[in-house]
Amino acid sequence: NAGVTQTPKFQVLKTGQSMTLQCAQDMNHEYMSWYRQDPGMGLRLIHYSVGAGITDQGEVPNGYNVSRSTTEDFPLRLLSAAPSQTSVYFCASSSTKYLAVYNEQFFGPGTRLTVL
Amino acid sequence: KNQVEQSPQSLIILEGKNCTLQCNYTVSPFSNLRWYKQDTGRGPVSLTIMTFSENTKSNGRYTATLDADTKQSSLHITASQLSDSASYICVVTSTGNQFYFGTGTSLTVIP
Repeated sequence: NAGVTQTPKFQVLKTGQSMTLQCAQDMNHEYMSWYRQDPGMGLRLIHYSVGAGITDQGEVPNGYNVSRSTTEDFPLRLLSAAPSQTSVYFCASSSTKYLAVYNEQFFGPGTRLTVL
Repeated sequence: KNQVEQSPQSLIILEGKNCTLQCNYTVSPFSNLRWYKQDTGRGPVSLTIMTFSENTKSNGRYTATLDADTKQSSLHITASQLSDSASYICVVTSTGNQFYFGTGTSLTVIP
């Protein structure tokens, strides 16, 4: 049971390049989400999905696209990278969207992205 | 405005000493409060979770308290170890299932 995995661990892009950050979980969780973490700021929600084929925007969705074709995978796409997207990106999953007491959210190890 | 504020921003303590981290929130209506530990280069890992009716929750050397009336929580670490060096994040969830992250307290334990 690997939990939540993310690839790559590090990435450097030039402005305007595109790339996909990969996220996979093996816990059969319905809910998956993407966050970015910037110095001096709390984790901010980018996009989330409550199940295969269903995605929605979070707090800071601009410049990012997502899709959810399977329960396990939830890739995050940057269509045209900008320096403002330099950040650490975390993928997370939980059994349902509702973070009640019985429902834990598991985070991946993160992807550190630098856009030059 | 729903906010979560943590203090101090950073803290350095000697190994074996105790410390207390603070979390004040304005999130309403309140559902639960979690403390996460985030090691450098890793994702956050849950330490404790408390609902409105709980005022203390322990996880080994970590003890979290919650005062729902004053909207304050604290995380007390007893007999600190070098492995406690990490960022500690307070997360408050509203009953509408919106969750609000604090900016974290960076703890460094030195020998």
